[in-house]
Amino acid sequence: NAGVTQTPKFRVLKTGQSMTLLCAQDMNHEYMYWYRQDPGMGLRLIHYSVGEGTTAKGEVPDGYNVSRLKKQNFLLGLESAAPSQTSVYFCASIGDRAIGELFFGEGSRLTVL
Amino acid sequence: GNSVTQMEGPVTLSEEAFLTINCTYTATGYPSLFWYVQYPGEGLQLLLKATKADDKGSNKGFEATYRKETTSFHLEKGSVQVSDSAVYFCALSGGATNKLIFGTGTLLAVQP
Repeated sequence: NAGVTQTPKFRVLKTGQSMTLLCAQDMNHEYMYWYRQDPGMGLRLIHYSVGEGTTAKGEVPDGYNVSRLKKQNFLLGLESAAPSQTSVYFCASIGDRAIGELFFGEGSRLTVL
Repeated sequence: GNSVTQMEGPVTLSEEAFLTINCTYTATGYPSLFWYVQYPGEGLQLLLKATKADDKGSNKGFEATYRKETTSFHLEKGSVQVSDSAVYFCALSGGATNKLIFGTGTLLAVQP
């Protein structure tokens, strides 16, 4: 029972490099989210999707892009990484009839030098 | 806009002590309220929830009551254990997209 799986779990980038984080869920959930977690700031929503083929901006979308080509996958891209994007990234999903019961992945720790 | 404020940590307690972590919110309409827990090295897990005023959410000995008059959702446990050591997040949800707004988290450390 995999739930929500994030890859990679750790990554170190140099400023200006690009990368993609993959989130996969096997629960047939409609809604998917990308959050970043920083000390003293809790979790902040980057982008989200309410269904296959849809994406929307969250609270802190600048510097990130996302795609939801398949219902089970939600990709988060960094086109030109900056040190300010050093963070732990969490993907989450929820079925359309649940209220607030997000299922989270284990997180991806990204360091930008 | 909607927001959640929770008490600063860390909170350090001895085993079997009483726990309270304060959470207050600002929201339009009637949001649902949640407590999530994050154990070291893991993602967040839902601990309990309440969807309307005066509801009490409970799980694993933890409780929280949705108080509309004080816009609060304080987390309590009568007797904490070392295994309760984690970061606790208060959150609210409102609207059709199920987006959650989180507080900054409170680190709880329980000592034997």
